[in-house]
Amino acid sequence: QSALTQPASVSGSPGQSITISCTGTSSDVGGYNYVSWYQQHPGKAPKVMIYDVSNRPPGVSKRFSGSKSGNTASLTISGLQAEDEADYYCTSYTSSSTLVFGGGTKLTVL
Amino acid sequence: QVQLQESGPGLVKPSETLSLTCTVSGGSISRYYWSWIRQPAGKGLEWIGRIYTSGSTSGSTTYNPSLKSRVTMSVDTSKNQFSLKLSSVTAADTAVYYCARGGDWRLVLDDWGQGTLVTVSS
Repeated sequence: QSALTQPASVSGSPGQSITISCTGTSSDVGGYNYVSWYQQHPGKAPKVMIYDVSNRPPGVSKRFSGSKSGNTASLTISGLQAEDEADYYCTSYTSSSTLVFGGGTKLTVL
Repeated sequence: QVQLQESGPGLVKPSETLSLTCTVSGGSISRYYWSWIRQPAGKGLEWIGRIYTSGSTSGSTTYNPSLKSRVTMSVDTSKNQFSLKLSSVTAADTAVYYCARGGDWRLVLDDWGQGTLVTVSS
């Protein structure tokens, strides 16, 4: 299975909004509403921020939102804060009953 | 609050088998989906596979096709542990290995261990 495609890096200033894309195929992203997004700070384990395309787990800020169109899912972070600086990974359930990760996106808060 | 802890040798020789165990505390290992994920230094995350047990079975598994020929996962419900074996390792298998819990077959990874570094070197 091929990794989902994410931009290597994105950046934004505090208070701004950014969007990270995650492109797959009809066998993963496009075929199921089972896309999740994870935040990973350096040296730490990942933390789920969004699941099932657009659902937030308890305790995750409402500044994080997700959406999907066709084979591409997106994570939007509004009102950027310094603490949002991290790596972000998308995942999707696949037609082979496996899980596939995106390549990861480094978010820099300017 | 469930806690996961990876354990195993930090150094494995090339061509040998990497063996890791994840100990689950604060909750039952039954009726959850347990995954292994790895991350080479400075690189992205890779899902290795998952195992599910209802408590009365040895566990059903699904593996990443790219690793399937070398991976074996098992579960020990009496010890609340699950394990990973990766055979014929090379330097490319050097990574931080994480175990994680998913609530169901959609594999949303809700809880993670802290990760353990495994280096493949002679």
